[in-house]
Amino acid sequence: DAGVTQSPTHLIKTRGQQVTLRCSPKSGHDTVSWYQQALGQGPQFIFQYYEEEERQRGNFPDRFSGHQFPNYSSELNVNALLLGDSALYLCASSLANLYQETQYFGPGTRLLVL
Amino acid sequence: AQSVSQHNHHVILSEAASLELGCNYSYGGTVNLFWYVQYPGQHLQLLLKYFSGDPLVKGIKGFEAEFIKSKFSFNLRKPSVQWSDTAEYFCAVNPNNAGNMLTFGGGTRLMVKP
Repeated sequence: DAGVTQSPTHLIKTRGQQVTLRCSPKSGHDTVSWYQQALGQGPQFIFQYYEEEERQRGNFPDRFSGHQFPNYSSELNVNALLLGDSALYLCASSLANLYQETQYFGPGTRLLVL
Repeated sequence: AQSVSQHNHHVILSEAASLELGCNYSYGGTVNLFWYVQYPGQHLQLLLKYFSGDPLVKGIKGFEAEFIKSKFSFNLRKPSVQWSDTAEYFCAVNPNNAGNMLTFGGGTRLMVKP
């Protein structure tokens, strides 16, 4: 039973560039959430996708956007990268069930913006 | 805005010592509560969760947590730690009326000396 997978594992970009991160949910899951974990801090919720729509969004600017595909996999896009976007980006998947959902996390993509 | 506080940022214990990690949240309604662990070089894993019922919940690897509603707390405990418990521990809260986005605390880094 495959868990949550993310690609790439590491990425280096320069300020102003755009980046796309990818996530495949755990088998049987239909909901994908994205989190940003800055160094030394806890993860912060970016947004969540369910049925190919953004279901919830945290306090992140519009430079952060996403997409969910019919096979439930998801992408996180960040435009106009800033130095402060350097972080570990975590994807979590769950099965939608009246909000009593448990989220399972992937290994993350470490993004460095120079 | 809701927040989660983990007051102990770093904890150092010897093997066989007892562990208690504090977690307090600021939200007055019904909540779902989680503890996640991140072992060195690994992804976030669920230790235990509380949705309803018995406020004392047992998780994997001998961990347990107690939900005290009047204190807005969900402290993590283990009677006797092992060297392999060295990891970072995150408390997370999901208010029942906030979809299923998780708000994480800042984490507690635990080092167990052999």
